[in-house]
Amino acid sequence: DGGITQSPKYLFRKEGQNVTLSCEQNLNHDAMYWYRQDPGQGLRLIYYSQIVNDFQKGDIAEGYSVSREKKESFPLTVTSAQKNPTAFYLCASSMFDRDYGYTFGSGTRLTVV
Amino acid sequence: GQNIDQPTEMTATEGAIVQINCTYQTSGFNGLFWYQQHAGEAPTFLSYNVLDGLEEKGRFSSFLSRSKGYSYLLLKELQMKDSASYLCAVKYPNSGYALNFGKGTSLLVTP
Repeated sequence: DGGITQSPKYLFRKEGQNVTLSCEQNLNHDAMYWYRQDPGQGLRLIYYSQIVNDFQKGDIAEGYSVSREKKESFPLTVTSAQKNPTAFYLCASSMFDRDYGYTFGSGTRLTVV
Repeated sequence: GQNIDQPTEMTATEGAIVQINCTYQTSGFNGLFWYQQHAGEAPTFLSYNVLDGLEEKGRFSSFLSRSKGYSYLLLKELQMKDSASYLCAVKYPNSGYALNFGKGTSLLVTP
């Protein structure tokens, strides 16, 4: 079955460390996205990519980095420059020419300890 | 980003009808989505509106007025499992299919 997989589901990071969240899709979707969600809040866009080897900053890109070397993969690195990284991170993908919305992964809950 | 406003919380009774409103800035509008999100889970797609009018899909309907920058999600015959957060989202202008989400409306369905 096609889908979008995020790993790990839970992640703990020490302050000052970088950490990479994985996102893989086998839906042949063109575009991929990363969002952050804080308790009681909506989703805020971190980065998005519409094609391989290209990506754009969203509203809250500072302290994060991404790569899009393959169509299927869009990993997100949370760097030590991100001052408040504890959050629920959601990856999504979509067809570029369709209007049925996103397919979301199940999310990664990152906690700084 | 565009300002998207939704009520923070709503409560309704099982079997009743509830309407969740969403307002947004009209400049650069290119489509509006509604998603449902249960606690601790990923959002799931409910509806998409790009033209004015009502889209009906089973117990859920979504309405759009582009001139007023207004949409609503109508949930009929409420069930306990409808207790969730409902997110309104619009496409960012000139950014492909990237979506700007509102903060969501937390709906509690009571017996």
